[in-house]
Amino acid sequence: GAGVSQSPRYKVAKRGQDVALRCDPISGHVSLFWYQQALGQGPEFLTYFQNEAQLDKSGLPSDRFFAERPEGSVSTLKIQRTQQEDSAVYLCASSQDREWYQETQYFGPGTRLLVL
Amino acid sequence: AQSVTQLGSHVSVSEGALVLLRCNYSSSVPPYLFWYVQYPNQGLQLLLKYTSAATLVKGINGFEAEFKKSETSFHLTKPSAHMRDAAEYFCAVSLTLGSRLTFGEGTQLTVNP
Repeated sequence: GAGVSQSPRYKVAKRGQDVALRCDPISGHVSLFWYQQALGQGPEFLTYFQNEAQLDKSGLPSDRFFAERPEGSVSTLKIQRTQQEDSAVYLCASSQDREWYQETQYFGPGTRLLVL
Repeated sequence: AQSVTQLGSHVSVSEGALVLLRCNYSSSVPPYLFWYVQYPNQGLQLLLKYTSAATLVKGINGFEAEFKKSETSFHLTKPSAHMRDAAEYFCAVSLTLGSRLTFGEGTQLTVNP
């Protein structure tokens, strides 16, 4: 079956530009996570949705970052007035949130953002 | 709070040799532990996870890991490395299943012919 998909795969933005990154989770998955992975680092948590509710946004680095999941499926991560330090790979993951022992986060391929 | 430390950002082994990737964790509660692998330009793929059912966990591609509470470790091993194992490996911890993951900084595994 289809996995988690993300678009675009690559994005080059000029400093100050707004960008929107899309995540299509696995169909029926309740939970959705966004992570930021800087070059040479492990992914870092940004935010978490359960259906359409954003339950945790403690990892968002500034108020320029905004995420939404209005219908409980597709999610968009928006970055306003991009800065060079926003350059990173943005990973989306989803999980079923049913039987606890089956819980696994499935990751998409990521969007590589380069801010010039 | 939880954290993960991966010892060695780069590990190089010969094909057929033992693979050992080290991971130590810090957690205020009994943790759930994971190993993920990342191939170039791909997302993270789960290798195995520890959910307190058994301390020795077997995963995909011949990998396994052992949870040692006394050492706060969850090292990843494979008896015989293959060229296709060359990738970056991440250890991760979460407080509950289904919650946010905290990752280590990763270990790049190189397999030499």
